[in-house]
Amino acid sequence: LAKTTQPISMDSYEGQEVNITCSHNNIATNDYITWYQQFPSQGPRFIIQGYKTKVTNEVASLFIPADRKSSTLSLPRVSLSDTAVYYCLVGGDFYNQGGKLIFGQGTELSVKP
Amino acid sequence: EAGVVQSPRYKIIEKKQPVAFWCNPISGHNTLYWYRQNLGQGPELLIRYENEEAVDDSQLPKDRFSAERLKGVDSTLKIQPAELGDSAVYLCASSLNSRENGYTFGSGTRLTVV
Repeated sequence: LAKTTQPISMDSYEGQEVNITCSHNNIATNDYITWYQQFPSQGPRFIIQGYKTKVTNEVASLFIPADRKSSTLSLPRVSLSDTAVYYCLVGGDFYNQGGKLIFGQGTELSVKP
Repeated sequence: EAGVVQSPRYKIIEKKQPVAFWCNPISGHNTLYWYRQNLGQGPELLIRYENEEAVDDSQLPKDRFSAERLKGVDSTLKIQPAELGDSAVYLCASSLNSRENGYTFGSGTRLTVV
């Protein structure tokens, strides 16, 4: 399973766009890239998933370059409530890896007023 | 739709005592996971079930930890006896065995061993 590397922490201000980059140099052909968000005293929550290029939903965008060795989670116009830990995961291919997801340490995002 | 339900929410026990955590996954989710999360760390997988079968328990410390998922629905994770180092949040998650849906996690049980 591919290992991921992401910044330990990031600071931002309300209304700014936040981009969190994750590197996964050993990503396998069947791997997908998934991001989770975790608030204190809660379990992680699925945000977005992609395989290549760009994926957008109502919460975030995920940019994946052609070589797929990195990915960037983009949060538009963050608010105080976006303060959380964000995890980048690679894997989750149920047909080859049984849906096993390995969490790293995550990026602790702090949004200030 | 009800989410993944875990109980108890908090548990404080003395070392060497037994403890059990319960998880009720989302209805219809055939895959169930138990994770342990230490303070400041990401969750680490303990065991994964496909229906009632434990298909990946390589990370489960089998000398003191056990788990079951009778009838392929609810699941229980047990520690006997608990050690100080077992203090952590124990998270349960379930999925439809489809990567598009991701996992749905419960709120976890925070265990403190004193």
